[in-house]
Amino acid sequence: GQQLNQSPQSMFIQEGEDVSMNCTSSSIFNTWLWYKQDPGEGPVLLIALYKAGELTSNGRLTAQFGITRKDSFLNISASIPSDVGIYFCAGQLSNQGGKLIFGQGTELSVKP
Amino acid sequence: GAGVSQTPSNKVTEKGKYVELRCDPISGHTALYWYRQSLGQGPEFLIYFQGTGAADDSGLPNDRFFAVRPEGSVSTLKIQRTERGDSAVYLCASSLMGRNEQFFGPGTRLTVL
Repeated sequence: GQQLNQSPQSMFIQEGEDVSMNCTSSSIFNTWLWYKQDPGEGPVLLIALYKAGELTSNGRLTAQFGITRKDSFLNISASIPSDVGIYFCAGQLSNQGGKLIFGQGTELSVKP
Repeated sequence: GAGVSQTPSNKVTEKGKYVELRCDPISGHTALYWYRQSLGQGPEFLIYFQGTGAADDSGLPNDRFFAVRPEGSVSTLKIQRTERGDSAVYLCASSLMGRNEQFFGPGTRLTVL
């Protein structure tokens, strides 16, 4: 089946540092979404992207929809302890409306 | 407003038993999705409903899994003859018609002993 490759798998950073993570696919997506999941909770939507090249911010978070439509990245600036969690990218194929394909997740740890 | 709710939050059952997991979507959301998440993995799609009908059930792993949404709101995921490999967190999400943003509930953690 379709797969998204998300990297890195984990990051351990100092508070205040910037973070970058990305997802790549062999398929073309028409939507990219980024979620954050805390232990014992469901994923929470952070940013949604709909057009190739689109750059969208949500506070300290910035995400981009790759020009090839096969990749996306998420940046977090000036990290704080509450940024800790697992971040997932998710993509939607143009011919499979509704179904989201998720990456394996990036686990972020922030040291105060 | 209220988000997606799922009950129970935890379910422990024995191999071979039947279980039902319930999802109550955000009011007004016509699309409803079920995903399964194993430890250390991203959610995997199972099935999605547009209104009362299943628009895509390609992710259901086998015929032991079945889901219904009889009135276009609450949905129930049903698993027959549970196996230990069914143990996972079952997530439900909903969205507005024609929108791709899916909003997730807290999940039901299913443990099959």
